[in-house]
Amino acid sequence: SQTIHQWPATLVQPVGSPLSLECTVEGTSNPNLYWYRQAAGRGLQLLFYSVGIGQISSEVPQNLSASRPQDRQFILSSKKLLLSDSGFYLCAWSLNSGIGVQETQYFGPGTRLLVL
Amino acid sequence: AQSVTQLGSHVSVSEGALVLLRCNYSSSVPPYLFWYVQYPNQGLQLLLKYTSAATLVKGINGFEAEFKKSETSFHLTKPSAHMSDAAEYFCAVTGYNDMRFGAGTRLTVKP
Repeated sequence: SQTIHQWPATLVQPVGSPLSLECTVEGTSNPNLYWYRQAAGRGLQLLFYSVGIGQISSEVPQNLSASRPQDRQFILSSKKLLLSDSGFYLCAWSLNSGIGVQETQYFGPGTRLLVL
Repeated sequence: AQSVTQLGSHVSVSEGALVLLRCNYSSSVPPYLFWYVQYPNQGLQLLLKYTSAATLVKGINGFEAEFKKSETSFHLTKPSAHMSDAAEYFCAVTGYNDMRFGAGTRLTVKP
């Protein structure tokens, strides 16, 4: 069966510090991968998605970036955190069934980020 | 383009009462529709999904949802609320390219 991991579970960082959040998926190959942010009291905002190694699409321009160095690894980064980056970050995966086919997304446990 | 509107950011019911969470969608192509549940400080868990088969979809934990094309709705129901149902619920829609989520509805269950 497939599992998705995220770490760390919680993180407190000062403004201006760098960020690296990691997401890995087990039990599947060539998945689509997604990063979402969930701010307090708000819905999910899609930040990035990837359909393959090195292929990243950005939904919202901001000071965050994403990379996919391996097939089942997805990393969210920032060079300098802002207060507004605080939130709950969720990674998700779905089967990659080709262009134009959207499969169910399965979510990781999330990372709670507090920027002070 | 696809979008979802969840009516009511907070819903409160008594234990044993009917749960009804409302979701209306907009889609330019035949949609796939989903309901997810999120417990505090956890990720989203899939409750059920509609993929153009039966219009009444049964999910986990006794929840079900009915796809009504004429009303562009996909409301989530459960006949009898349990304390453990207290959580946030998200409706989502996909077309051909991406998944769009509603803002969420927080369900409170009173004893």
